[in-house]
Amino acid sequence: QSALTQPASVSGSPGQSITISCTGTSSDVGGYNYVSWYQQHPGKAPKLMIYEVSNRPSGVSNRFSGSKSGNTASLTISGLQAEDEADYYCSSYTSSSPCVFGTGTKVTVL
Amino acid sequence: EVQLVESGGGLVQPGGSLRLSCAASGFTFSSYEMNWVRQAPGKGLEWVSYISSSGSTIYYADSVKGRFTISRDNAKNSLYLQMNSLRAEDTAVYYCARGPPPLDYWGQGTLVTVSS
Repeated sequence: QSALTQPASVSGSPGQSITISCTGTSSDVGGYNYVSWYQQHPGKAPKLMIYEVSNRPSGVSNRFSGSKSGNTASLTISGLQAEDEADYYCSSYTSSSPCVFGTGTKVTVL
Repeated sequence: EVQLVESGGGLVQPGGSLRLSCAASGFTFSSYEMNWVRQAPGKGLEWVSYISSSGSTIYYADSVKGRFTISRDNAKNSLYLQMNSLRAEDTAVYYCARGPPPLDYWGQGTLVTVSS
């Protein structure tokens, strides 16, 4: 149950696009299309942003998109806005447990 | 409106026990799988435990296996986490979250502090 690997921080200017990577193994990210992404603002509960690699729940902005290639999943935020500044976590189903989270990425809007 | 409200957190000494509860409303609780997720101060999310809608299937993270017990009472729309043999490293905000995963609704969390 090792955590998935994410960059510690990613930054961008308003209006730009950024991409956050999430690297696992063939036993988690690479083996299943059950990758999710969560947004967490300070002191708040996480919010589901993407599920099953690329699907957005109702109410989530279409500026958020997800993809996967091999053992690495990615979250792209386009048209970056100040309100997007938050921590982001990926998660995946694994061969040994229902869920493992990534290490988390702090997104800063410059 | 879906609501998940955790309770039962607090300060406990190492080796002690605590029982967390999560009261669910706004959806048919008995139809959904549930999870506990924790977050140590200043750290990332850690999945802790999963229980199926009927309670017949349960999983634990290795870090809590043998010490924590997840359960549910569908008649009371409630989820529980019994935590025994608590350690300093169990200090965290504990969230209950709905889902197989993906975890589509989360409570606001309850803080558990393990310290002497």
